[in-house]
Amino acid sequence: SQTIHQWPATLVQPVGSPLSLECTVEGTSNPNLYWYRQAAGRGLQLLFYSVGIGQISSEVPQNLSASRPQDRQFILSSKKLLLSDSGFYLCAWSRPHYQELNSPLHFGNGTRLTVT
Amino acid sequence: EDQVTQSPEALRLQEGESSSLNCSYTVSGLRGLFWYRQDPGKGPEFLFTLYSAGEEKEKERLKATLTKKESFLHITAPKPEDSATYLCAVNRYYAGNMLTFGGGTRLMVKP
Repeated sequence: SQTIHQWPATLVQPVGSPLSLECTVEGTSNPNLYWYRQAAGRGLQLLFYSVGIGQISSEVPQNLSASRPQDRQFILSSKKLLLSDSGFYLCAWSRPHYQELNSPLHFGNGTRLTVT
Repeated sequence: EDQVTQSPEALRLQEGESSSLNCSYTVSGLRGLFWYRQDPGKGPEFLFTLYSAGEEKEKERLKATLTKKESFLHITAPKPEDSATYLCAVNRYYAGNMLTFGGGTRLMVKP
């Protein structure tokens, strides 16, 4: 079966510090990978998605970036955090659409980031 | 632009009191509508996918239905453990497997 891991679970960082959140998926190959952000009491906003190693698409311009150095590894980064970067960050995977049309997204348990 | 609106934002029910959550959507070429359950501090958990108007899916006390403009999540005789936020999302043609999410309905079931 497939599993997805995100870490850390919680993080408190000062403004201007760097960020690195990591996500790995097990039990599947060539997954689509996603980073979402969820503000308090609000829906999920897609930040980045990737259909393969080194292939990243950004949905929202901001000071965050994403990388996919390996097939099942997805990293969210920032060089300098802003207060507005606080939120709940979720990584997700799905089968690519050529394998399964309408594959649901499967989420990790998220990272609660507080920028102080 | 795809839009998904969920109502109500919050719903309080007594245990055993059935009700429905609404998800209205505007999307050019719906390929699938998804329902998720999210517990506090956790990632969303997949519940259902609906593909075409008239389709229904059931899981325990939950039943999801779909029309051309909206979807309903019916909760029959809810229990306190059904308390969670329920999210609706849509996928459209030519968008790969990317989803657009609604804001969610926070359900609280009191014993």
